[in-house]
Amino acid sequence: NAGVTQTPKFRVLKTGQSMTLLCAQDMNHEYMYWYRQDPGMGLRLIHYSVGEGTTAKGEVPDGYNVSRLKKQNFLLGLESAAPSQTSVYFCASSYRPPGQRTYEQYFGPGTRLTVT
Amino acid sequence: GENVEQHPSTLSVQEGDSAVIKCTYSDSASNYFPWYKQELGKRPQLIIDIRSNVGEKKDQRIAVTLNKTAKHFSLHITETQPEDSAVYFCAASTGGTSYGKLTFGQGTILTVHP
Repeated sequence: NAGVTQTPKFRVLKTGQSMTLLCAQDMNHEYMYWYRQDPGMGLRLIHYSVGEGTTAKGEVPDGYNVSRLKKQNFLLGLESAAPSQTSVYFCASSYRPPGQRTYEQYFGPGTRLTVT
Repeated sequence: GENVEQHPSTLSVQEGDSAVIKCTYSDSASNYFPWYKQELGKRPQLIIDIRSNVGEKKDQRIAVTLNKTAKHFSLHITETQPEDSAVYFCAASTGGTSYGKLTFGQGTILTVHP
């Protein structure tokens, strides 16, 4: 049981280039999320998905697109990278423990992206 | 939307002392309050959480308290050890109605000096 995994771990892009970050989870969690983490700003939600084939915008969605073609995978795309997208990106998935109405969220190891 | 404020931004203590980190939230519908610990270069790890139907929860040296009336919750670490040094984040969620989405505080850098 690998939990939540992310690919790649590091990446350097030039302005205008595109790339896709892959998140995978093997816990059969229904909900998945993409966050970015910048110094002094905590984690901010980019996009999220409540199930296969569905996605929705979070707090900071501009410049990013996502897809969830399979339940276990959640992809984050940057079509034209900008220096402002230099950040650490975390994927997470969540489940609802039996008897609870709230969800516990677990994170992947992160991807450090630098855009020059 | 929800807004979570976290204080202090940095906290320095001596080994064996207690540490307290406080968070306030704005949405009275929030009902789930997790705390995450993030070591340098690592992922955030869930260390404790509290739901709105309880006022306090303990797990060994860590505890969380919740005051729904005042809309604030706190993390308490007793008998701190150097390995407690990390960034701690609080978060809030309205649970199922928000699809488990979390709003995070800005983080507290805790340093425990031997």
